[in-house]
Amino acid sequence: DTAVSQTPKYLVTQMGNDKSIKCEQNLGHDTMYWYKQDSKKFLKIMFSYNNKELIINETVPNRFSPKSPDKAHLNLHINSLELGDSAVYFCASSQAGAPRTGELFFGEGSRLTVL
Amino acid sequence: DQQVKQNSPSLSVQEGRISILNCDYTNSMFDYFLWYKKYPAEGPTFLISISSIKDKNEDGRFTVFLNKSAKHLSLHIVPSQPGDSAVYFCAASGQAGTALIFGKGTTLSVSS
Repeated sequence: DTAVSQTPKYLVTQMGNDKSIKCEQNLGHDTMYWYKQDSKKFLKIMFSYNNKELIINETVPNRFSPKSPDKAHLNLHINSLELGDSAVYFCASSQAGAPRTGELFFGEGSRLTVL
Repeated sequence: DQQVKQNSPSLSVQEGRISILNCDYTNSMFDYFLWYKKYPAEGPTFLISISSIKDKNEDGRFTVFLNKSAKHLSLHIVPSQPGDSAVYFCAASGQAGTALIFGKGTTLSVSS
C-alpha cells in the first residue's frame, strides 16, 4: 500500500507536447510538493501546496502548472515540453510545518525524457 | 547558487568500517538539517535530522554532527553494512514555510 504514488513512472515524449504527472498520497498529510532532480542530481523544490493552497512557487517557467483537486492529490501539468525539462520529478507529502513536525515522504519519481 | 554542498560525489568503504559523509551550507538562516537516503528507482527516505540547538544526534548506527560555526555537518555510519549502499542527500531548512534545500548527494558503496 504505497504512501505516495506517482504515475506514470516513465514518460518519453516529443518536444512541444503537453504532459501530466499525477501524484496521490494516502497519509492524510496537509502539504504536498513537487521536486525536480535534473542531470546535475540536485533535488530542487518546484511547488508546495498546503490544503490545496499554493504556498511555495519557486522560479519555475509558467509552462509548469500544478493542480491540487484535493489535499490528497497534487498533479503536475507541463505545456510545450522542452529538452531541458528532461528530469526525474518527485512528489512528496508531509504534515504542515515539516520538516520540524515530521519528515517528507517521497514518491518513487517519474522520469520524463523529452526527445 | 548552491546553498547546500556535498563536495564528495562518492565514497567507498569496507563493511564494518565507519562511513563519514560531509555536507556544508552557506545560508546562516538554516536551522534544521536532515539526511535522506535514496536507493535506485526509489524516492528519498528520511534517515536522521538535527536542530541547530544541538551539535549531535544519534539513532542506532547513524550519528549526525553539526558544527554551526563552520557551517558543516556530517553523517557517521558505524558499522557500515552493504545495505547502506545508496545515495545520501543532505538537506537544510530555514524559517517555517520555506522548502527543504537539498545537496547533490553522495553515493556510498559498502563492500563486503
